[in-house]
Amino acid sequence: GEDVEQSLFLSVREGDSSVINCTYTDSSSTYLYWYKQEPGAGLQLLTYIFSNMDMKQDQRLTVLLNKKDKHLSLRIADTQTGDSAIYFCADDRGSTLGRLYFGRGTQLTVWP
Amino acid sequence: DAGITQSPRYKITETGRQVTLMCHQTWSHSYMFWYRQDLGHGLRLIYYSAAADITDKGEVSDGYVVSRSKTENFPLTLESATRSQTSVYFCASSEGSAANQPQHFGDGTRLSIL
Repeated sequence: GEDVEQSLFLSVREGDSSVINCTYTDSSSTYLYWYKQEPGAGLQLLTYIFSNMDMKQDQRLTVLLNKKDKHLSLRIADTQTGDSAIYFCADDRGSTLGRLYFGRGTQLTVWP
Repeated sequence: DAGITQSPRYKITETGRQVTLMCHQTWSHSYMFWYRQDLGHGLRLIYYSAAADITDKGEVSDGYVVSRSKTENFPLTLESATRSQTSVYFCASSEGSAANQPQHFGDGTRLSIL
């Protein structure tokens, strides 16, 4: 199975909160990341969290990490139509070579 | 202000042909990466490079070759293209391996092999 797992689709109404979930398997992960991919473009780093943190907030984004359950989530408050994109969870498995391991991505659709 | 540039953006070729995808970055980043993105698989690492003349295989390297003679360029070659290599290819670079040195991605090359 996949080492980094995400649900494939999420639909929300504009103004609601979105929560995208991710599970990973490698306990040696140092950092975990969320990337965003808009249509026809590459991936852009949204935020990241160090593995000894439980939570990180950055404007409308909140990342929660449950290291015991190896569960990562990204909450987007007041979701806008411009947030419609594919969101990728990634972890580094403790790599010192900059390698990242990506999930399959969650397609977020925001309805007006 | 070019950043990281991939060329071509779109390519159609036939099975058995050799094709090279180009990647150029203007930041002098040490690390560079090639990924392929396929429906249902997310991004999978093909090759990566920690510096000029240093490359290593990723998880799906069979059928691909890379070189890194200059820091700013990291071309990916499909020696004899197969239909299973139809995909979107992304190049990325980073200054280092720490979290505050994230990977920056190009806009991708959409490759179709007939």
